[in-house]
Amino acid sequence: NAGVTQTPKFQVLKTGQSMTLQCAQDMNHEYMSWYRQDPGMGLRLIHYSVGAGITDQGEVPNGYNVSRSTTEDFPLRLLSAAPSQTSVYFCASILAGDSSYNEQFFGPGTRLTVL
Amino acid sequence: AQSVAQPEDQVNVAEGNPLTVKCTYSVSGNPYLFWYVQYPNRGLQFLLKYITGDNLVKGSYGFEAEFNKSQTSFHLKKPSALVSDSALYFCAVTPRSSASKIIFGSGTRLSIRP
Repeated sequence: NAGVTQTPKFQVLKTGQSMTLQCAQDMNHEYMSWYRQDPGMGLRLIHYSVGAGITDQGEVPNGYNVSRSTTEDFPLRLLSAAPSQTSVYFCASILAGDSSYNEQFFGPGTRLTVL
Repeated sequence: AQSVAQPEDQVNVAEGNPLTVKCTYSVSGNPYLFWYVQYPNRGLQFLLKYITGDNLVKGSYGFEAEFNKSQTSFHLKKPSALVSDSALYFCAVTPRSSASKIIFGSGTRLSIRP
């Protein structure tokens, strides 16, 4: 299994540009999520999905959209990039749909810089 | 508000000495508790978790963690540190109701000197 994969690894955007961060997992995990990691702030949940066709907002959803058309893929879209969205983004998945005792599997991250 | 605290931004330990990385939480009910490790330019990796039962949990790479319900703490420990243990460590807490409510601490950077 490849686990959780993310593309691209690095991205530089100009303010106002849009882009999609890709995330895929091959473990048939129902639950997937997106986090951003900023220095001294740990990981903050952006959006999550408990299964195909179901998404919901996390702690910091503004400026981001998600969709979940398949179990495997969970892309994150930045609608109009802002410098405040400069961060490292991690995608994660959990085996069971809403099983809070299972550990998360994380992708390698995407480092995004918005100029 | 529910929260997870890692009071030390950095912990410095000499190789061979025991190490402790602290975590306390303020989450209602009996949450599930996790530790993750992040090596440079990598995603987080699961180390160990507490669900129920024995308060001392053993995990990967020789790490263990002690759950203390009265102090609402879940400190990460290792009897003998290795230089390769140097990394960023995150404590995470999930209420039993939903995985979507997971809360991460701010992280502790562990530095092991030879």
